[in-house]
Amino acid sequence: DGGITQSPKYLFRKEGQNVTLSCEQNLNHDAMYWYRQDPGQGLRLIYYSQIVNDFQKGDIAEGYSVSREKKESFPLTVTSAQKNPTAFYLCASRTSTGNTGELFFGEGSRLTVL
Amino acid sequence: AQKITQTQPGMFVQEKEAVTLDCTYDTSDQSYGLFWYKQPSSGEMIFLIYQGSYDEQNATEGRYSLNFQKARKSANLVISASQLGDSAMYFCAMRPLPLDDYKLSFGAGTTVTVRA
Repeated sequence: DGGITQSPKYLFRKEGQNVTLSCEQNLNHDAMYWYRQDPGQGLRLIYYSQIVNDFQKGDIAEGYSVSREKKESFPLTVTSAQKNPTAFYLCASRTSTGNTGELFFGEGSRLTVL
Repeated sequence: AQKITQTQPGMFVQEKEAVTLDCTYDTSDQSYGLFWYKQPSSGEMIFLIYQGSYDEQNATEGRYSLNFQKARKSANLVISASQLGDSAMYFCAMRPLPLDDYKLSFGAGTTVTVRA
């Protein structure tokens, strides 16, 4: 079945460590996104990519990095520079055709910094 | 700048009854799209329904309907005949048209609990 796969589902990290969250999609979508979700808040955009080898910062990009070497993959690295990384991270993708532009989401990765 | 407001942090509804989730928005864009997503406890966000600001008729998708009142900048979601599986968090979102990836904004969400 087509969809978006995020891994790992749960991740624990010590302070000062970098961690990479995986996001893979087989929907043949051009655009991919990373969002952060904190309790009681809506989703906030970290990074997005509309085509391979290109990506843009969202509202809260500081302390994060991404790459888009393949259409199917958009990994997110949470660096030690991110001051409050404990959160739920959601990856999404969107087709470039159609006029609604709804996002398709993965099941998320929950990161806890110990 | 865009802003989405969902004023109901949590709601309880009896099974088989209808429930209305409020969403108001503020934007200076002339054309925009409105979305509702469902987030069950598994964490995945599921697209439910879309309404374009240019659409004169309210959108419907099965048991979901969007009560769009453009002058009031309101886009409430109505879930009819609630089921236990409807228990989840619901998010209202908006983006300007033509599509601008950067400007998709989400509300804080409303938690719905369906009681048997």
